[in-house]
Amino acid sequence: QSVLTQPPSASGTPGQRVTISCSGGSSNIGSNIVNWYQQLPGTAPRLLIYTNDQRPSGVPDRFSGSRSGTSASLAISGLQSEDEADYYCAAWDDRLNGVLFGGGTKLTVL
Amino acid sequence: QVTLKESGPALVKPTQTLTLTCTFSELSVSTAGMRVSWIRQPPGRALEWLARIDWDDDKFYSTSLRTRLTISRDTSKNQVVLTMTNMDPVDTATYYCARHFDYTSSLPDSWGQGTLVSVSS
Repeated sequence: QSVLTQPPSASGTPGQRVTISCSGGSSNIGSNIVNWYQQLPGTAPRLLIYTNDQRPSGVPDRFSGSRSGTSASLAISGLQSEDEADYYCAAWDDRLNGVLFGGGTKLTVL
Repeated sequence: QVTLKESGPALVKPTQTLTLTCTFSELSVSTAGMRVSWIRQPPGRALEWLARIDWDDDKFYSTSLRTRLTISRDTSKNQVVLTMTNMDPVDTATYYCARHFDYTSSLPDSWGQGTLVSVSS
């Protein structure tokens, strides 16, 4: 079971903006940074957003992240077909002393 | 270019012990600030964090799997090893190692390609 809650699915048409939420608690998102990962079909996850809202080199600025209170969000603007993937949020949990992942959101580009 | 490569058996029998190895190129597992996690993903399901070992040999484990897991380092081979005892078919998954170093220390940033482990008699 995931303590970080994500919607199981999201969708949009090319060019649209979509947002994926990640809800946690005071011991994880509420007090620690959030990363987001993109997992294309059949591949390993790759870092998409780190420390809530930072993009690693090579990640397009169409991807943005934010954190407020015990929730975080990933936004993708100018949706493209190659964005079709699974997206996961993650945060350290101080109570469990471990990494928590969200349940993942499958993004479909219609 | 970060390279982590997982290796281990593709198939184990129920009740057996699984041993997985993560081999680093580039940086040393002893580099100050280096942290390495093991994460797994059952087919069609979400990621699950298993364990982490730090450059100073500090270790952390998933609370639900703590009694079955051991993480260790072999600095001479630049490897991190995970053992999981009493394997069950529900442990069938792709197992990834990932390092925490380039961007955030508390969360993974660079991942290996993963290795699929099936548990079946």
